[in-house]
Amino acid sequence: EDQVTQSPEALRLQEGESSSLNCSYTVSGLRGLFWYRQDPGKGPEFLFTLYSAGEEKEKERLKATLTKKESFLHITAPKPEDSATYLCAVQARLSGSARQLTFGSGTQLTVLP
Amino acid sequence: DGGITQSPKYLFRKEGQNVTLSCEQNLNHDAMYWYRQDPGQGLRLIYYSQIVNDFQKGDIAEGYSVSREKKESFPLTVTSAQKNPTAFYLCASSLWGRTGHNEQFFGPGTRLTVL
Repeated sequence: EDQVTQSPEALRLQEGESSSLNCSYTVSGLRGLFWYRQDPGKGPEFLFTLYSAGEEKEKERLKATLTKKESFLHITAPKPEDSATYLCAVQARLSGSARQLTFGSGTQLTVLP
Repeated sequence: DGGITQSPKYLFRKEGQNVTLSCEQNLNHDAMYWYRQDPGQGLRLIYYSQIVNDFQKGDIAEGYSVSREKKESFPLTVTSAQKNPTAFYLCASSLWGRTGHNEQFFGPGTRLTVL
């Protein structure tokens, strides 16, 4: 069974204080790992897809990296507007037609001014 | 603007009622999905559909039903058989390619409350 564990559950940072969020996964062959941002009461917003170990992607203050067991979302010099819940999801490489995503429970990030 | 719309934003249901949540997309995506989100839990897949007139059960399909009569539309009915329907419901869509570009894009969600 595919599993995704995100840590920490909650993280409070001062503005400008860089940190990382972790996403550990077990999956029977990784097809893709996805990061989303979710604001309260809204749908998740797509951020990144990572396909293979060693891959990195960046967007503004966010950088996502991938190893064979985990992914990190690095936040450099965060601002209060980066406050949100960050979700990680994996998609297994299946022989059938399913494209199901397995989601973690998310990390709730609060950036204080 | 291309995107996914869900309606209503808030929905209240009385015990024993069936209610239908709407999801429409104009992204020309093949696949559509319904997820349920509860506090402190990850998104859980209810149903998904690859093509018109075909759909598959996800992990928590009991008490729910769907239809896919048009590529753009994937309504979800929450039936009276669903024991604990109060939750945030999210619709998503994606391409259905064999390699890459399988990102799922989400609508704004519908919050369902049972009175």
